[in-house]
Amino acid sequence: DIQMTQSPSSVSASVGDRVTVTCRASQGISTWLAWYQQKPGKAPKLLIYDASSLQSGVPLRFSGSGSGTDFTLTISSLEPEDFATYYCQQANSFPYTFGGGTKVEIK
Amino acid sequence: EVQLVESGGGLVQPGRSLRLSCAASGFTFDDYAMHWVRQVPGKGLEWVSGITWRNGTIGYVDSVKGRFTISRDNAKNSLYLQMNSLRAEDTAFYYCAKSRYSYVQGAFDIWGQGTMVTVSS
Repeated sequence: DIQMTQSPSSVSASVGDRVTVTCRASQGISTWLAWYQQKPGKAPKLLIYDASSLQSGVPLRFSGSGSGTDFTLTISSLEPEDFATYYCQQANSFPYTFGGGTKVEIK
Repeated sequence: EVQLVESGGGLVQPGRSLRLSCAASGFTFDDYAMHWVRQVPGKGLEWVSGITWRNGTIGYVDSVKGRFTISRDNAKNSLYLQMNSLRAEDTAFYYCAKSRYSYVQGAFDIWGQGTMVTVSS
């Protein structure tokens, strides 16, 4: 199975800050990598698919990059509604696997 | 409106069975792969099972193999998860999710609201 290692597990940041989350796959997954945002009590929401494609309706401050084993999610300027938990997911082959999550908290 | 609505969760004793359903609307159901994802409250996400558009490929996480069965009825726009021999560690919110594509690869662009399964005596 492909293991997804996500870091950091949490980050404290302020509105307007740039935040970067990284995800490493234990083997190459091409660009079959997705990023999700989840708020308490809600289902996850797709932000980025195929490593760098922005899901419809997602603000341009979110971006993704990477291929193979190393991937990055960047929030260019944090907004109040961005405080949430973020997960990466490999969508290359069964069994799919998620990273452990990154909680973005208010500083 | 594109929507997924799960049902069938509840409290069940260890060793018993439960069947989850997911009703899809607002898109051409049989064009897409579908998945189940679970989450223990306060913990991370775990993919449970997936099925491609024509039942050509089915996958499970190791911890449910031999106990859970995913299926779909394209005529009814519905996805199912038959869960047998349930264990306490199966306790979680179960989400139904739609893939962006019909085949194995692909992110999940639509999620249901989730249904809670509690396995306890």
